[in-house]
Amino acid sequence: KAGVTQTPRYLIKTRGQQVTLSCSPISGHRSVSWYQQTPGQGLQFLFEYFSETQRNKGNFPGRFSGRQFSNSRSEMNVSTLELGDSALYLCASNLRGTGDEKLFFGSGTQLSVL
Amino acid sequence: AQSVTQLGSHVSVSEGALVLLRCNYSSSVPPYLFWYVQYPNQGLQLLLKYTSAATLVKGINGFEAEFKKSETSFHLTKPSAHMSDAAEYFCAVTTGRGTASKLTFGTGTRLQVTL
Repeated sequence: KAGVTQTPRYLIKTRGQQVTLSCSPISGHRSVSWYQQTPGQGLQFLFEYFSETQRNKGNFPGRFSGRQFSNSRSEMNVSTLELGDSALYLCASNLRGTGDEKLFFGSGTQLSVL
Repeated sequence: AQSVTQLGSHVSVSEGALVLLRCNYSSSVPPYLFWYVQYPNQGLQLLLKYTSAATLVKGINGFEAEFKKSETSFHLTKPSAHMSDAAEYFCAVTTGRGTASKLTFGTGTRLQVTL
């Protein structure tokens, strides 16, 4: 069974641009979550999508948004990039509602903002 | 709100020695607790999780953790370290069904294994 797939693996952008990251969950998983990992702030929860609806949200500005498609694939968008948005963005999928919930993470997208 | 504190950002052990990584949690409701491992340039891999079924939880790669409510701790142990265990380890907490995807992570402990 294929794991969680994130594309692209690396991205370089400049301040003010916008970026879209993609995540394909494990087959059968309908929940997709996004996390930001930085050396200074560590791992922080961005949001979760389940059945194409945002179910949980972290404390990030509105520049960070996401969506989920009917095939459970998810995209995350960051608009008006700032230097501080440089981070590893991790996506995780989950068999939500089964009573045995656990996150399976992808390898991440390393975003550098210049 | 919940939180976890990992004591020690770096831990160094000799190969074959006991591994002990410390995690203390704070939660106003019964917590679900997790340990994850991250190897360089990779995502996080689940080692084990506690969801109130048993206080001693066995995970992958020989790791285990014991939930101690009186001490609000969930320390990770392995009897004998292997070179391949060198990685960063994260403790995480959430409060249950419906929020299992919204984990609060500790700051991580980097484990070094020496010959």
